[in-house]
Amino acid sequence: DVKVTQSSRYLVKRTGEKVFLECVQDMDHENMFWYRQDPGLGLRLIYFSYDVKMKEKGDIPEGYSVSREKKERFSLILESASTNQTSMYLCASSVGGELLANYGYTFGSGTRLTVV
Amino acid sequence: AQKVTQAQTEISVVEKEDVTLDCVYETRDTTYYLFWYKQPPSGELVFLIRRNSFDEQNEISGRYSWNFQKSTSSFNFTITASQVVDSAVYFCALSGYTGANSKLTFGKGITLSVRP
Repeated sequence: DVKVTQSSRYLVKRTGEKVFLECVQDMDHENMFWYRQDPGLGLRLIYFSYDVKMKEKGDIPEGYSVSREKKERFSLILESASTNQTSMYLCASSVGGELLANYGYTFGSGTRLTVV
Repeated sequence: AQKVTQAQTEISVVEKEDVTLDCVYETRDTTYYLFWYKQPPSGELVFLIRRNSFDEQNEISGRYSWNFQKSTSSFNFTITASQVVDSAVYFCALSGYTGANSKLTFGKGITLSVRP
């Protein structure tokens, strides 16, 4: 089975800290995604990447950046954490094109980040 | 731009009732995929179904069934004879085909409560 692993399940950081959320997938997927989930707002796309070193802004990229130096790893960076970035963060990966019909998207277990 | 609307926010039913969760989508793509995910209280996203835009056949899986109608841009989900274990948040989602269109866009989710 494809696995998407997020480095931390729970994280507590202080306002102003630089925060790295790491995501690793083990199935050679082209596409990787970062979402945040907040009650009543569903999952909102922050950034995604459809190839190494490629990145695209999602719906709410402000305050975040990403890095994809290797195909299997996609990092989300909070340059200066703020309390309004307290949320559940979910990473996902997928193949592209026709193969998407067979394999779909795989999600990690999530990182619950609290910024105090 | 892609958009998924789940107009219902919360639904409460008594066990054994049938319940339909509505999903309406918008996309300019001619090829796309539609998904339903379940998120139980444990928090992990559980994949339920994926549909290709060329396949309008309805699908039944046990107590679950899905009705895909391109004419109304809808992809509704029905649970027959609901059970307490069906209590969860349900998300409808839409993605394009390749590259920058591969991002998965979610609706805001429907919280389903099934009472004994």
